Amino acid sequence: RKEVEQDPGPFNVPEGATVAFNCTYSNSASQSFFWYRQDCRKEPKLLMSVYSSGNEDGRFTAQLNRASQYISLLIRDSKLSDSATYLCVVNAGFQKLVFGTGTRLLVSP
Amino acid sequence: NAGVTQTPKFRILKIGQSMTLQCTQDMNHNYMYWYRQDPGMGLKLIYYSVGAGITDKGEVPNGYNVSRSTTEDFPLRLELAAPSQTSVYFCASSQLAGGTLAKNIQYFGAGTRLSVL
Repeated sequence: RKEVEQDPGPFNVPEGATVAFNCTYSNSASQSFFWYRQDCRKEPKLLMSVYSSGNEDGRFTAQLNRASQYISLLIRDSKLSDSATYLCVVNAGFQKLVFGTGTRLLVSP
Repeated sequence: NAGVTQTPKFRILKIGQSMTLQCTQDMNHNYMYWYRQDPGMGLKLIYYSVGAGITDKGEVPNGYNVSRSTTEDFPLRLELAAPSQTSVYFCASSQLAGGTLAKNIQYFGAGTRLSVL
């Protein structure tokens, strides 16, 4: 089983739609979790950290379910500029991040 | 704000050639990392460093070497380039905040696209 698994997509949604991605992780001792965004041929950039209580940043909401070992990202009111690959990232301990292969989102007019 | 700077941006190597990918950061971060990303794949950790003079292997270290003589610089060396090393290489840095791993936010350079032919 992969350490971090994501549906590669692509998820094709119209502008204004709500879309959700899930990610599962295998190491129950994982301590911190993140969503990174990667545009085509660019470097990953932090979108948001994921906290146990769930957290929201504008149109983006992240949730963590430790019991089921999954993380989710919800994007509301999708914009064309949200088109990118979203990477689920898990801290496996001592500064070592494990990256999922990413979920590709395409937002169309 | 320079952040993490990688050079070169692109490079084509012949099999057996060697080269050094440069990475420098101006954020005074202790932790630095090298990743490779193959098409359709996640980032794989090659080497990392927790401070000047200290380096350790990641998931895919074979064929690479690193050094960390200063806080700012973390070069990655390919000694005998092979086609399997064709990839995009990202350097990143981070710093613990308040001693907690929850704040391990890594900042990435723009990447080096390497082709070995």
